[in-house]
Amino acid sequence: GENVEQHPSTLSVQEGDSAVIKCTYSDSASNYFPWYKQELGKRPQLIIDSRSNVGEKKDQRIAVTLNKTAKHFSLHITETQPEDSAVYFCAAIHSGGGADGLTFGKGTHLIIQP
Amino acid sequence: KAGVTQTPRYLIKTRGQQVTLSCSPISGHRSVSWYQQTPGQGLQFLFEYFSETQRNKGNFPGRFSGRQFSNSRSEMNVSTLELGDSALYLCASSPGPNTGELFFGEGSRLTVL
Repeated sequence: GENVEQHPSTLSVQEGDSAVIKCTYSDSASNYFPWYKQELGKRPQLIIDSRSNVGEKKDQRIAVTLNKTAKHFSLHITETQPEDSAVYFCAAIHSGGGADGLTFGKGTHLIIQP
Repeated sequence: KAGVTQTPRYLIKTRGQQVTLSCSPISGHRSVSWYQQTPGQGLQFLFEYFSETQRNKGNFPGRFSGRQFSNSRSEMNVSTLELGDSALYLCASSPGPNTGELFFGEGSRLTVL
C-alpha cells in the first residue's frame, strides 16, 4: 500500500516569512495529492491539491509542487500570517482506481511567531 | 448545504465495552470514509463505504467494523474496547469513491478508561 512521509513535524517561522512542508510517497500509481489544514479543535479542511499532470499550482499565498519522478510534493506558504497557524497534512491516492483509500502523512504543526 | 454530521461528539467508555458512532454525509454524497486521529499517529484510514459496500479497509483489527445504509448514512462499531482505542474518530464524505477530496465532520472523541 501507499506510504506518505512528511517533514518537518514542527515548523516555527516568523510572521511574514515563508514556510515549506515536504512529503514523499511510495506508490507510483498515486495521481492525486491533496493538502489539508486542521486548526486547533477543528476538522481537517482541503486547502489545495495537485494532480500528476500538473507540476505546480498556486492559489494566492499557497502553492504546491509535484515531482513525480522523485515522488516528492511540497506545500509553500508565503507571507505567513497568524491564521496560518495549524497542522497541515499531505496525502496521496490513486484517484479513480486502487483500493487503498487516502493515505495521510503524519502532519506538520506550523507555528507563526509574531 | 449541511455539512457532515457526527454523533455523539464525546463519549467515555470502559475497557471491554463496545461503541457505535454515527455519520451523516453531505446530501448527495454517496461515499463515506472513517479515520482515526491520535497525536502520535496522525490520520489513519479505517474504511470507506460506497453504495452500502465496503470498498477498502485500513490496517485495523477486526474489532473495528462499519456499515452504510441506503441513505448513505454510516456507522462504525468498535467492540471489546482497549485503552489504545482512545482517539478522535473522523468521518468524511465525498461525492464518489477514492477521490481524495474529503469533507470531514467534527469527529467523535472517544475516551476509554
